[in-house]
Amino acid sequence: DIQMTQSPSSLSASVGDRVTITCRASQAINNYLAWFQQKPGKAPKSLIYAASSLQSGVPSKFSGSGSGTDFTLTISSLQPEDFATYYCQQYKSYPLTFGGGTKVEIK
Amino acid sequence: EVQLVESGGGLVQPGGSLRLSCAASGFTCSDHYMDWVRQAPGKGLEWVGRTRNKANSYTTEYAASVKGRFIISRDDSKNSLYLEMNRLKTEETAVYYCARASYSNGHWYFDLWGRGTLVIVSS
Repeated sequence: DIQMTQSPSSLSASVGDRVTITCRASQAINNYLAWFQQKPGKAPKSLIYAASSLQSGVPSKFSGSGSGTDFTLTISSLQPEDFATYYCQQYKSYPLTFGGGTKVEIK
Repeated sequence: EVQLVESGGGLVQPGGSLRLSCAASGFTCSDHYMDWVRQAPGKGLEWVGRTRNKANSYTTEYAASVKGRFIISRDDSKNSLYLEMNRLKTEETAVYYCARASYSNGHWYFDLWGRGTLVIVSS
């Protein structure tokens, strides 16, 4: 199975900050990488697929990059609605696997 | 409106069975891969299994932890997805999400999620 490791597991940031979350795969996955946002008590929301392609309707403050084993999710200017937990997921091979999540909290 | 709505969750005893449903609206389910993903209380997301689309003969994939106990099926006439869960374990208490995967340039990626249904396995 491909293990997905996110860092940090949590971070505190202020409104307006630029935030970067890292995701590392235990083996190369090309760009078969997605990012999701989840708020407490809510379903996940799809943000990015193919490592850097924005899902329809997702604001451009979100961006993704990377290929192979190392990936990043960047939020260019953190807004109150962005405080949530973010997950990466590989879909290169089965079983599909998720990272452990990064909780973005208000400083 | 394009949406997925899960139902069928509830309290079940260890070793028992439960069948979850996911009703799709606003799109044709058979065109998409459809998955189940679960989330134990306070934990992260865990993929459960997938059924491919009609063009790929609705073949299935499962996580090792549920293979042989869980079955994913579809009913095109109802535009619905199902998860039959057998021999349930207490550690499978979770919110179960239905998710749609769409295709673009070689990628089948999740793009739509239901709100989830809570399954509690307890005596």
